[in-house]
This record gives sequence, C-alpha cells and structure tokens, in this order.
Amino acid sequence: EGELVQSGAEVKKPGESLKISCKGSGYTFTDYWIAWVRHMPGKGLEWMGSIYPGDSDTRYSPSFQGQVTLSVDKSISTAFLQWSSLKASDTAMYYCARRVGNIQGLLRFDPWGQGTLVTVSS
Amino acid sequence: DIQMTQSPPSLSASVGDRVTITCRASQSVSSHLNWYQLKPGKAPKLLIYVASTLQPGVPSRFSGSGSGTDFTLTITSLQPEDFATYCCQQSHRTPWTFGQGTKLEIK
Repeated sequence: EGELVQSGAEVKKPGESLKISCKGSGYTFTDYWIAWVRHMPGKGLEWMGSIYPGDSDTRYSPSFQGQVTLSVDKSISTAFLQWSSLKASDTAMYYCARRVGNIQGLLRFDPWGQGTLVTVSS
Repeated sequence: DIQMTQSPPSLSASVGDRVTITCRASQSVSSHLNWYQLKPGKAPKLLIYVASTLQPGVPSRFSGSGSGTDFTLTITSLQPEDFATYCCQQSHRTPWTFGQGTKLEIK
C-alpha cells in the first residue's frame, strides 16, 4: 500500500530559508518517484517536480526550475522540498505524492501526503 | 504546456443525485487522464486513472469516461462523504498539469 507523512505547518518571513519533508513507509521507498505539488489558495494544483530516491534523479517543472530544490535521504526514506529565500507568493499548501505506473501516460499520483501549509508573511 | 479546463467550477447537489464533471484538455492527451478528490485537511485521493480505470477501494458509484480532449467524471447516487473538490490531471506530457478543480457542495 504505502503512506506518505509530511512535516508540520511552517510560518516564515520573506527571505528566510525552509526545508519541508515527506517520509514514506509501507513500500520500497527507492522504487518510486516522489512528486511535489503546490496548491495556492483559490488555484488549481501545480506539479513542481519529481525525484527518484533510488539515484536522486530529479526533474523540475519549468515554472519551478531554479525556485526550489528537491532532495532525498534514502537512509530515512524521506524526500525534501527546499527554498533558499522565501517570498510571500510561496504561501501555499504543498503536497508530496508517490508516482506509480512505469509507462508514460499511465502515470498517476498515489498515495499523497497530508500536505504542509507554508505561510510567508512579514 | 497542456491546459486543463474543468466545468463547472462549482456545483450544488443533494444526497442521492447524479452529477457529472467535465475536463477538457487544450490538446489531445489520449486516455492519459486521472481524477482526484480533495478534502480540506486530508490527503488528496486518486479516484480514476487512464480516464476510466477505477482505483481499487474507490466506490463503484464513481466512473470516468472520455479520450482525446474531453473527459467526464460521473458520480451516481451522491453520498454525504462525496462533497469535496474534484480535479483532473493529464499524464500525457510533462509538465503534468491539473484542472482548476470543481467544488461539489451540498444543496
């Protein structure tokens, strides 16, 4: 089956750095890509990028390339999403999700983490 | 990027009703379309993948159809736990993109 558990809500000031986490359990963590998805208030979901814990291969959406960093520590089955300098516009709910399906077009996200709310305000 | 447009943005219905939500892609995505259910404070849930395949454990009152650019999610005999936001996602080409969501509310 599998489960993803994310770190708790964060309140930060503009310019601060932040790293949030997503811990996998109940499956072989290194066998599946982990995706990160942003959900801004009143907007649709946005895929930010994905990382393969087996070898740390990373793919970013062009919209998020250079804005965030994905990483993983496979020894603790945990993926990370990191900002070096937060902006107010980074305020959103962030989800991690396991990508299942090995064939382009048959890919889907399941399960998802419960979300981490990031609030950036001065 | 492939744009996904859902309609309606919101929908009011009653327990026992049948509802249909539409998702349109800006270009053909074949059958590479997934549906998710979102509830506040809970992890999003995969309902349907490859346009019409029901995820194991999802009640059979949920169904999906379509191919190319036009897709539908149908819920027959709405239950109280079905009032939520539903969104589609194309898995045809990166960047993977989602619809803006349809909020299903109790009438």
